[in-house]
Amino acid sequence: GENVEQHPSTLSVQEGDSAVIKCTYSDSASNYFPWYKQELGKRPQLIIDIRSNVGEKKDQRIAVTLNKTAKHFSLHITETQPEDSAVYFCAAQINAGGTSYGKLTFGQGTILTVHP
Amino acid sequence: DGGITQSPKYLFRKEGQNVTLSCEQNLNHDAMYWYRQDPGQGLRLIYYSQIVNDFQKGDIAEGYSVSREKKESFPLTVTSAQKNPTAFYLCASSIGPTSGDPQETQYFGPGTRLLVL
Repeated sequence: GENVEQHPSTLSVQEGDSAVIKCTYSDSASNYFPWYKQELGKRPQLIIDIRSNVGEKKDQRIAVTLNKTAKHFSLHITETQPEDSAVYFCAAQINAGGTSYGKLTFGQGTILTVHP
Repeated sequence: DGGITQSPKYLFRKEGQNVTLSCEQNLNHDAMYWYRQDPGQGLRLIYYSQIVNDFQKGDIAEGYSVSREKKESFPLTVTSAQKNPTAFYLCASSIGPTSGDPQETQYFGPGTRLLVL
């Protein structure tokens, strides 16, 4: 099955700096890569996603890049703010259809702390 | 994601006891999922269901059981066979196979924290 590795496990930055979180995946059949943000005690929420036919996607201060050859994808947050502090999870999905429809494999999570 | 509810917020289990976690959604989604979250680990898939009366085992199904008798509901039972049940349990839903697009957003409920007495 798919395996997703996420690094770093913790990341501390100063407000205004950029933050980068990286994930690698094992199955070259994976073709959908969402990122979720989870604030303390809250539910995970989708912040951005990318499909395998796209190399980069941006949404305001957040961007995701995908390198299919190397099987890794990254989340970039620019001009970080204290409210960006949360746990971030990457995930990968194999578009195998059938009974594997919608099945996501998550990374271990990154605790991002943005210091004012 | 406000359309997914989980209850209770906290649940205490005694040794040898089965407990059931509730998950309800009013988003008209066909697909529903149960995840377990432990500190320092990502979300791990327990069971998932793409349509009523059908479900599949995820990566860590041992010690758990589910049913999907109604589209809106996907309860998870933590059985006495699950020796380490203390965790945060998250339910999620997505549109499902009828959308024709498996790359769809999963919406999560607020979670249930299960503790062992």
